[in-house]
Amino acid sequence: DGGITQSPKYLFRKEGQNVTLSCEQNLNHDAMYWYRQDPGQGLRLIYYSQIVNDFQKGDIAEGYSVSREKKESFPLTVTSAQKNPTAFYLCASSMGTGKGAKNIQYFGAGTRLSVL
Amino acid sequence: AQSVTQLDSQVPVFEEAPVELRCNYSSSVSVYLFWYVQYPNQGLQLLLKYLSGSTLVKGINGFEAEFNKSQTSFHLRKPSVHISDTAEYFCAVSDMNTGFQKLVFGTGTRLLVSP
Repeated sequence: DGGITQSPKYLFRKEGQNVTLSCEQNLNHDAMYWYRQDPGQGLRLIYYSQIVNDFQKGDIAEGYSVSREKKESFPLTVTSAQKNPTAFYLCASSMGTGKGAKNIQYFGAGTRLSVL
Repeated sequence: AQSVTQLDSQVPVFEEAPVELRCNYSSSVSVYLFWYVQYPNQGLQLLLKYLSGSTLVKGINGFEAEFNKSQTSFHLRKPSVHISDTAEYFCAVSDMNTGFQKLVFGTGTRLLVSP
């Protein structure tokens, strides 16, 4: 089955700890994205990557880091600098960037991060 | 920059009744428009999209939406809802002219369908 796999489904972070959320896609999509979802606030873009070995900050990148070493993988690290990490994190991918239907974003099932 | 307003945070409705979820957007440029649905503890699933052409767009699960450029609206409708439609619905827009498709989301509308 083609799709986007996020793991783990639930994750707990201790104070001062970095944690990494996994996102893997087998859709052969060039672009990948990370969003944070908080109740009543919709989704906000953290980072995005249009191509391997390249990524850009989104609207709320502080306290987060990413890498894009492989086309199918876009892991997100929530660092200790992120003081309010409790949220639902969603990964998405699209065929590419630019105009048109090929850039529709498809989402994974999400990872819920909580602070102990 | 774009913004999206979903005025109703929650819409309760009885099964088999019609429903409309409102979405208004603000943008200085032409936009693409989307509705996504999120079931509890799951990711977002694309319901429908407006890219160009007919302003009445049909999506999955019997939903449809109409793009009204003069009113900058993209309201979602279903003539008869089911219990299984209970979920959160997000309206989103992206700038038609940029090379990167950044989605701007509304804050969501929770649809509660009761028997």
